[in-house]
Amino acid sequence: ETGVTQTPRHLVMGMTNKKSLKCEQHLGHNAMYWYKQSAKKPLELMFVYSLEERVENNSVPSRFSPECPNSSHLFLHLHTLQPEDSALYLCASSQELRDTDTQYFGPGTRLTVL
Amino acid sequence: AQSVTQPDIHITVSEGASLELRCNYSYGATPYLFWYVQSPGQGLQLLLKYFSGDTLVQGIKGFEAEFKRSQSSFNLRKPSVHWSDAAEYFCAVAAGTNAGKSTFGDGTTLTVKP
Repeated sequence: ETGVTQTPRHLVMGMTNKKSLKCEQHLGHNAMYWYKQSAKKPLELMFVYSLEERVENNSVPSRFSPECPNSSHLFLHLHTLQPEDSALYLCASSQELRDTDTQYFGPGTRLTVL
Repeated sequence: AQSVTQPDIHITVSEGASLELRCNYSYGATPYLFWYVQSPGQGLQLLLKYFSGDTLVQGIKGFEAEFKRSQSSFNLRKPSVHWSDAAEYFCAVAAGTNAGKSTFGDGTTLTVKP
């Protein structure tokens, strides 16, 4: 596969469930990102990783827990979510953590919290 | 902190007509500016970006944008719209701090009439 892939594409979970979102990039990039895209709200940066180290945690609630085991994989672990966490979660990667580098986005995981 | 405004929530144009999507930014220094497109069920794809130099930037799919410092604008244009251009368009700004923190506008939804 090429580019940035995300699994699952759709996820429905209850507020007491624990689930994980997976992102994989096949581009040899060193920086990876999690974004949240809610209806009628601008894209929100959640987490940034560079060379597997977290460099940004944008005031995200602790019920979201990221993990970056290597530069190709990024996870978002979810637990005790709220209905307002329902959104499209997008993963992206870039060559390095430079504003001039193009970010390549995956197709997203559509999350619904019941 | 930087911010982006996309004044038009929704725009409808006829196929073959010209298109201009507006973007205004707020940032004290020279910003890094981007336009992305998101088709339904997909992630964001970079159309073009501006960092410095020639203020008229050419992108993919026949799009161009012009940076106007005096107006704090970075409007996206296309001379002849195709039905496949129907999508949501996002303008984004980065401060050039290499922290991976781009600020996105609310987006403009483009509908193309046959």
